[in-house]
Amino acid sequence: SQELEQSPQSLIVQEGKNLTINCTSSKTLYGLYWYKQKYGEGLIFLMMLQKGGEEKSHEKITAKLDEKKQQSSLHITASQPSHAGIYLCGAGSAGGTSYGKLTFGQGTILTVHP
Amino acid sequence: GAVVSQHPSRVICKSGTSVKIECRSLDFQATTMFWYRQFPKQSLMLMATSNEGSKATYEQGVEKDKFLINHASLTLSTLTVTSAHPEDSSFYICSAGLPHLNEQFFGPGTRLTVL
Repeated sequence: SQELEQSPQSLIVQEGKNLTINCTSSKTLYGLYWYKQKYGEGLIFLMMLQKGGEEKSHEKITAKLDEKKQQSSLHITASQPSHAGIYLCGAGSAGGTSYGKLTFGQGTILTVHP
Repeated sequence: GAVVSQHPSRVICKSGTSVKIECRSLDFQATTMFWYRQFPKQSLMLMATSNEGSKATYEQGVEKDKFLINHASLTLSTLTVTSAHPEDSSFYICSAGLPHLNEQFFGPGTRLTVL
């Protein structure tokens, strides 16, 4: 089965600082999802990457998928307290009837101090 | 984006009772929905795939007689925790997707506490 390793497990930064969260897979990724979760709440979809070398940005968050499709990074520029939460990467299956079935990393807890 | 709702958001029940959790796709149809479980400070673990009009597919180690899934329509899937015990206490989250957009949307989750 596919395993996802996220690093770091937790991160504390000062407001305004940049940060990066990494997600490494033991197998080739067919679809890599990034979500944000507030404790005890549902997941907020951030981005989905599918192609090797792909990069997507939304506001101050940029996600990249490496050429080999085994590692992804999530970069936040000029962090704000509103960015605080748990960031989860999830890997999709190859498609077909397995579409949408996600395996998640253990999560990265981000704290942003004002 | 698309919206997935869950009901109830919180439920407390006595050991031995059964609890039903609903997952609805509010503005789109979903032939497939997924049920996940999350323990405190842990990540999400897929429990089962809910298929509209057919039996659910359970992940290894998940008891199908314990966690009954029904996907009676294209907008509703239900998870029933039967004869709940304290170890079933957890955060249950469902998801549904839009394949043509490569997006998966998650419900807000249901926190189950079994006393």
